[in-house]
Amino acid sequence: NAGVTQTPKFQVLKTGQSMTLQCAQDMNHNSMYWYRQDPGMGLRLIYYSASEGTTDKGEVPNGYNVSRLNKREFSLRLESAAPSQTSVYFCASSEWGRVGAFFGQGTRLTVV
Amino acid sequence: AQTVTQSQPEMSVQEAETVTLSCTYDTSESDYYLFWYKQPPSRQMILVIRQEAYKQQNATENRFSVNFQKAAKSFSLKISDSQLGDAAMYFCAYRSRSNTGKLIFGQGTTLQVKP
Repeated sequence: NAGVTQTPKFQVLKTGQSMTLQCAQDMNHNSMYWYRQDPGMGLRLIYYSASEGTTDKGEVPNGYNVSRLNKREFSLRLESAAPSQTSVYFCASSEWGRVGAFFGQGTRLTVV
Repeated sequence: AQTVTQSQPEMSVQEAETVTLSCTYDTSESDYYLFWYKQPPSRQMILVIRQEAYKQQNATENRFSVNFQKAAKSFSLKISDSQLGDAAMYFCAYRSRSNTGKLIFGQGTTLQVKP
């Protein structure tokens, strides 16, 4: 009963490096999301994919790209990491017509 | 655009007592969902309770209940018989009824439970 799986769980990057956060869900959900969590600001939506083959910007998309590889997988890419991208990143999924999202365990990313 | 506000950064409660966490939101929509999520130190986001705006009855899940005041745009969470395991950060969240399923979160309230 895996649910939503994110990798890695922790990562330290140097400014300017690139990396991809991976996310996979095994619940056959249509919609997937990437959020970032910063102290005092709750979770903010970076990008989302309402269905396979579509992606849309959320509240804070600058500096990120996403790929909906298939129905199960939704990756988040940082092309040139900046210290402002130090955060905890969450992937989530949900199903049309149903309420509530399921979250992965989060990735703590530090950019130095 | 919708917004969610949690004005209590930190709260504390004595074990076995009752505590209420506040949440207000702003929206022009009439049909939506509201949630409370719990985030313990493990970082996992756990859905505690949800409320559908068209339902007048307040949602209840065991020791957790909400006070949903639609006209006032208020959605508070009451935790009864608080337990040490309730210590966590709690987030209030809003979702439109559309199919995108995007959640808008409040800033969070850290709940401390004292033995």
